[in-house]
Amino acid sequence: KAGVTQTPRYLIKTRGQQVTLSCSPISGHRSVSWYQQTPGQGLQFLFEYFSETQRNKGNFPGRFSGRQFSNSRSEMNVSTLELGDSALYLCASSLGLNSPLHFGNGTRLTVT
Amino acid sequence: GDSVTQMEGPVTLSEEAFLTINCTYTATGYPSLFWYVQYPGEGLQLLLKATKADDKGSNKGFEATYRKETTSFHLEKGSVQVSDSAVYFCALIRFDYGGSQGNLIFGKGTKLSVKP
Repeated sequence: KAGVTQTPRYLIKTRGQQVTLSCSPISGHRSVSWYQQTPGQGLQFLFEYFSETQRNKGNFPGRFSGRQFSNSRSEMNVSTLELGDSALYLCASSLGLNSPLHFGNGTRLTVT
Repeated sequence: GDSVTQMEGPVTLSEEAFLTINCTYTATGYPSLFWYVQYPGEGLQLLLKATKADDKGSNKGFEATYRKETTSFHLEKGSVQVSDSAVYFCALIRFDYGGSQGNLIFGKGTKLSVKP
């Protein structure tokens, strides 16, 4: 069974640009969450989607947005990139709201 | 707000040594507690969990006991191996506050290096 797939693995963008990251959950999983991982702040929750609806949102500015499609695949978008957005972005999926999370290997975003 | 505090790393041990990674939490209500592990270049994997006070989670020789009186969930292993080298994260979720496992609060992580 394929795990959580995140694309691309690495991304380099320039300050001010926007970026879209993709996440394909494990087949059958309906819940997708996104986390930002940085050396300074650690792992911080971005948002969670369940059946195409955003269920929870973390404390991030409106430049960070996401969506989930009918096939449970999810994308997150960051507009007007800042240097501080450089991070590893992790996606996790689960069968339901109270089921264990399965993480992808992440997308490493570097903003120059 | 809710938070998790882990001991600062890195932790360096010799193979077969005893491991303890301290984790304490702050939360009202009744959080569920987790340990996740991240191997180099990979995402996080759930290592073990405990959902109520005095529960003991265990997996792959690792154990942690949910201590409500000390608000702690320390990770232990009796004999570590080189393959245990990774970053370990303590985390909590408050289901009674409308949280779900998609909305975990993580500690900063503790890097463990095991030398042969």
